[in-house]
Amino acid sequence: GENVEQHPSTLSVQEGDSAVIKCTYSDSASNYFPWYKQELGKRPQLIIDIRSNVGEKKDQRIAVTLNKTAKHFSLHITETQPEDSAVYFCVTGTASKLTFGTGTRLQVTL
Amino acid sequence: ETGVTQTPRHLVMGMTNKKSLKCEQHLGHNAMYWYKQSAKKPLELMFVYNFKEQTENNSVPSRFSPECPNSSHLFLHLHTLQPEDSALYLCASSQDLSYEQYFGPGTRLTVT
Repeated sequence: GENVEQHPSTLSVQEGDSAVIKCTYSDSASNYFPWYKQELGKRPQLIIDIRSNVGEKKDQRIAVTLNKTAKHFSLHITETQPEDSAVYFCVTGTASKLTFGTGTRLQVTL
Repeated sequence: ETGVTQTPRHLVMGMTNKKSLKCEQHLGHNAMYWYKQSAKKPLELMFVYNFKEQTENNSVPSRFSPECPNSSHLFLHLHTLQPEDSALYLCASSQDLSYEQYFGPGTRLTVT
């Protein structure tokens, strides 16, 4: 079955710095790669997603890059703000299966 | 609000009880999901239903029994649970499997 590894498990950055979270996967059939953000006490919400026919996607301060050959994808957050503090989950998906990463707890300090 | 509701929001049950969690979505989605969230494992996918058919069961113990009577409703029937089953149970729905999921607020379950 699919194996998704997410690193790091915790990440602390200063406000204004960039944060990068990486995920690797094993199933070459994976073709959908969303990222979810879960703030403390709240439900997970989709922040950005990418499909396998695209190598990079950007939405304001958030970007995702995908390397299908190497089977890894990354979330990049620039100019981090305190409200970016949350747990972030990467996901891989095929037409019939979803696999979640183990989560990264991001702490943005002032 | 995301259009996905869950009841009850909190539940305390003994190990010999039988209870059910309910999830309802008003988004016209075809896929629905059950997740378990605890300190030990941040987000575990338990069951997936697509067009009312179960497509995934991630090695979940049989004391958890899902039911999807129609594409708008999803239940999780609980019986003879263990204290380690105490967790937040989240429901989600999406248009199809590879689309954005909308999560409900969760049911906080405590097994005594």
